[in-house]
Formats: sequence, C-alpha cells, structure tokens
Amino acid sequence: AQSVAQPEDQVNVAEGNPLTVKCTYSVSGNPYLFWYVQYPNRGLQFLLKYITGDNLVKGSYGFEAEFNKSQTSFHLKKPSALVSDSALYFCAVSGDYKLSFGAGTTVTVRA
Amino acid sequence: NAGVTQTPKFQVLKTGQSMTLQCAQDMNHEYMSWYRQDPGMGLRLIHYSVGAGITDQGEVPNGYNVSRSTTEDFPLRLLSAAPSQTSVYFCASKSQGTNTGELFFGEGSRLTVL
Repeated sequence: AQSVAQPEDQVNVAEGNPLTVKCTYSVSGNPYLFWYVQYPNRGLQFLLKYITGDNLVKGSYGFEAEFNKSQTSFHLKKPSALVSDSALYFCAVSGDYKLSFGAGTTVTVRA
Repeated sequence: NAGVTQTPKFQVLKTGQSMTLQCAQDMNHEYMSWYRQDPGMGLRLIHYSVGAGITDQGEVPNGYNVSRSTTEDFPLRLLSAAPSQTSVYFCASKSQGTNTGELFFGEGSRLTVL
C-alpha cells in the first residue's frame, strides 16, 4: 500500500520569509511524488512532481521540492513566500494507477 | 480549452434520493477518476477508469457507481444518497493510465445530503 503523511495541519509564515511544507511517503517500488495546491472553492492545481533524476525539483510559481530517499521525504519549499501563496497544499504519491493524497496543509502568509 | 468540466456545482439531496454527477473532459485523456474531499482527510479515490469500457474501484467505492461509455465522459452515480456522502466531489483526468503523469482537476461539485 502507498501513503503520504503531512505532519502539519497549518503553516504560518510572514511574507518574504522562506516557506516549507513537509511530506513523508511510504511506497513499495519507485516513488512518484506530486504536490498540488488548492485555492478556496477551486479544484486542485499541479505544482510539481518527482519521477527520477535530480533530487531538487522546480515547479510553478517559484516552488521547489527536495526528494530525500533515505528520509522518505518530499518537502515543498519556496525561498520567499507571498500573501498570494496562502492556500491548501497536498502531497501525493502515485502507484498502481492511483494517486493517494495526504490530508493537506493550510498555508497562511501574513503581510 | 475547457479542460475538465463538472456539473452541477452545487446540489442538495434528501436521504434516499439518487443523482448523477457529470464529468466531461476535452483533452482526449484516457484516464479519469472521481475523488471526494472531506475536511482533514484529504482526497479519497472513489472510482477510476483507464479507458472507455474499463472502470475499477478506488478507496471508497461503496454507494457509488460509474460507467465509461466514451473517452470524454465519466459520470458518477449516487444510488441512494446518505448524509455520509455529503462532501465535495472532484473529477480528474490525465493523458495515460501511468503513474508518472499529473492529474487535471475539475472545479468540484458540492453535495449536501439532508
């Protein structure tokens, strides 16, 4: 079985500060990992994914994520957060034709 | 390009009623799926399809039916609605039934069962 865990329900940061949203995963076989963002009353939007290769993956809106196989982690990062980054973020792992999501982390960036 | 279109956006049902949530995509995607989103539980897979005529169960399939007669459409049927099915439902698609492609989501359908 595959699963992801997002240990923080909420993350609060000041605008301009670094933002990190944590994710750990469990999967047999190759880990295919994704981050999605959901703005209020909207569907989920794809941010980035790790399939293979470089452990640092760059995605949309200045976000990046670091894959760490030994720690089974795939943390989402942004060097300088914006108020407009306030949203619900989901980590997900893909396997056996299914995408399994974490519970989500609400990010609030204060001006 | 409309992407993934879900209808209706909002629906209120009484316990025991049936209804169909519609999903259509215009990207010629082979893979389509339905998720429900509940607070604190993320998204849970209900049913999915890897192509026309092929469907399979996800994590929480009980009380729901699906069919895939065309590549474009993937309706979700609630057979006899229950209050536990109050949720936000998302349809999503991707180009192939592989594990490496990203999903494209609709805007969601908010269902309330009284």
